[in-house]
Formats: sequence, structure tokens, C-alpha cells
Amino acid sequence: AQSVAQPEDQVNVAEGNPLTVKCTYSVSGNPYLFWYVQYPNRGLQFLLKYITGDNLVKGSYGFEAEFNKSQTSFHLKKPSALVSDSALYFCAVRELGTDKLIFGTGTRLQVFP
Amino acid sequence: NAGVTQTPKFQVLKTGQSMTLQCAQDMNHEYMSWYRQDPGMGLRLIHYSVGAGITDQGEVPNGYNVSRSTTEDFPLRLLSAAPSQTSVYFCASRVEQGSGTEAFFGQGTRLTVV
Repeated sequence: AQSVAQPEDQVNVAEGNPLTVKCTYSVSGNPYLFWYVQYPNRGLQFLLKYITGDNLVKGSYGFEAEFNKSQTSFHLKKPSALVSDSALYFCAVRELGTDKLIFGTGTRLQVFP
Repeated sequence: NAGVTQTPKFQVLKTGQSMTLQCAQDMNHEYMSWYRQDPGMGLRLIHYSVGAGITDQGEVPNGYNVSRSTTEDFPLRLLSAAPSQTSVYFCASRVEQGSGTEAFFGQGTRLTVV
């Protein structure tokens, strides 16, 4: 069965510092990986995805993610965090041939001024 | 272009009552799905549809029914609400171009069953 793990419930970082939100996955074939962000009382917004090609994927709001097949990881990164980046972040993997998007449990990012 | 629209935004039900959560999308997406979000558990798939007239069960389908009579609408029915169905419900849609397209989410419906 396909699964996604986000090992950190919360990540704290100072504004201006680089941030990393971790995600590891388990799939039987090639993964389709996604990152979403959820602001308070809002729906999920798509940030970026990895389908194939370059291992470094660039997305919205200055975020990027690095796909590492050997470590089965897809960590979300940003070179310089903003207070407005504070939100709940979800990693997800799609099961091939279906519409089943499997989510991690989420990581709350808190950026302090 | 409204995207994915969910109604209502908030709802309180008594145990045993029934209700329908509405979801509509105006992007002509083939795929639509319903998730529930619970603290510490991420989002879990309830039901999904790959096109009008076609639905299938997700990870947590018990207590919920769906139908897809049109491309635009994908209502979720709770036949007899239970406190365990207290959750935030999200509807999503995506275009069918293989498994690599991203889903677009509605704003959510916060449901409380007392």
C-alpha cells in the first residue's frame, strides 16, 4: 500500500532563515508527489508536484522540493522564510491509475519574526 | 471562474439526522472526490468519481453516499449522522490527464454532530 510520512508535527523557524519540511513516501512504482498548503479556515492550495524529470521542483511562493529516489523523500524547502509562510503543509502521493490522493498527517510551520 | 464551491460552510446536526453536502465545480473536470480532515490524521478519502455516472469508495466510505449525475456536481450524503462524523469535509476536482494532475480543493464544510 502506498503511504506518506511527515515525521514532524511542527517546524519552527525564524524569519529570513531557510526552512525544510520533511516528507517520505512508500510506493510500489513511480510516485506522483504533491505539496499542499492550508491557511487557517481555508481549503488546500497546491504548491508544487513531482511527476518526472528534474529532481528539484520549483513551485508557488518561492517554495521548492527535492525528490530523492534512493531516500524515498520529497522535502519541501524555501531559502528564506516569511512570517506569512506560517500554515499547515501536507505532502501527498497519488496511487497510480486511480484518483486516490494519499496524504501525510501534516506539518505545522511557524515562522517567528 | 469560481473553481470548487462547497455549501454549506458550517453545519450542526443532531445524531440520526441526514443531510447533503454540496460540491460544484465549473472547470469541466472529470475527476471529483470527497475527503475528511481530522486532527492528526491528515485528509482521508471518502468517495471519488472519475466521471458522470461513475463513483467508487475511498478509504473511509462507511456512513456516506455519493452520486454523480452531472460533470459539475458531486454531493455527499450523510444518511444518519453520528458524532464520529464530526469533521471538516473537503471536495476536490482535477482534470483527467493521467495521475499527475493536481487537485483543486473547495473551502471546506465544518460539520458538527451532537
